[in-house]
Amino acid sequence: GQNIDQPTEMTATEGAIVQINCTYQTSGFNGLFWYQQHAGEAPTFLSYNVLDGLEEKGRFSSFLSRSKGYSYLLLKELQMKDSASYLCAVMDSNYQLIWGAGTKLIIKP
Amino acid sequence: GAVVSQHPSWVICKSGTSVKIECRSLDFQATTMFWYRQFPKQSLMLMATSNEGSKATYEQGVEKDKFLINHASLTLSTLTVTSAHPEDSSFYICSARGYGDTGELFFGEGSRLTVL
Repeated sequence: GQNIDQPTEMTATEGAIVQINCTYQTSGFNGLFWYQQHAGEAPTFLSYNVLDGLEEKGRFSSFLSRSKGYSYLLLKELQMKDSASYLCAVMDSNYQLIWGAGTKLIIKP
Repeated sequence: GAVVSQHPSWVICKSGTSVKIECRSLDFQATTMFWYRQFPKQSLMLMATSNEGSKATYEQGVEKDKFLINHASLTLSTLTVTSAHPEDSSFYICSARGYGDTGELFFGEGSRLTVL
């Protein structure tokens, strides 16, 4: 079966760095997405990785290793507004998105 | 980025009534739209995939006669929850993907349905 695993919840301190991991097992691979979702709102796109390596976009970076079925989202200089759920999703060989359950990130002052 | 508008944002209805939710792509033509349901503290659950001009493809366990999806144009898809019951109360979200895309989805704002 297809499976996306990410931690349920993480806590970090304002100004610090946090890494949210995602491992996946899917039928084929056509890219991995990270989305941010604040409570009661729709997800917003953060990043897309299809090749191995690190993609940096401001305070957020996303890494992919296809051979290991592994990705992480790195958030630097954490701000209180970064408190949200972070969803990992993989596009399979049928171009369907398989969603992880999301990681709730709690930022403390 | 592209804009997807979803309406209404909030709806409260009585049990047994039907509710229609609209999803519009405002500045691009959406060849494919997706409808999701999300219960509190859970991830998105794909309900169905709709392609313009054809019947929607429903995920296993989703009743197609209860959740009617219409994708009549390249900019509009609708989800109708028929004979709604309290257990249908949820957050419903649509997303859209256009032509020649990398796979990025553009999400609507979501619609929170409460069935009394």
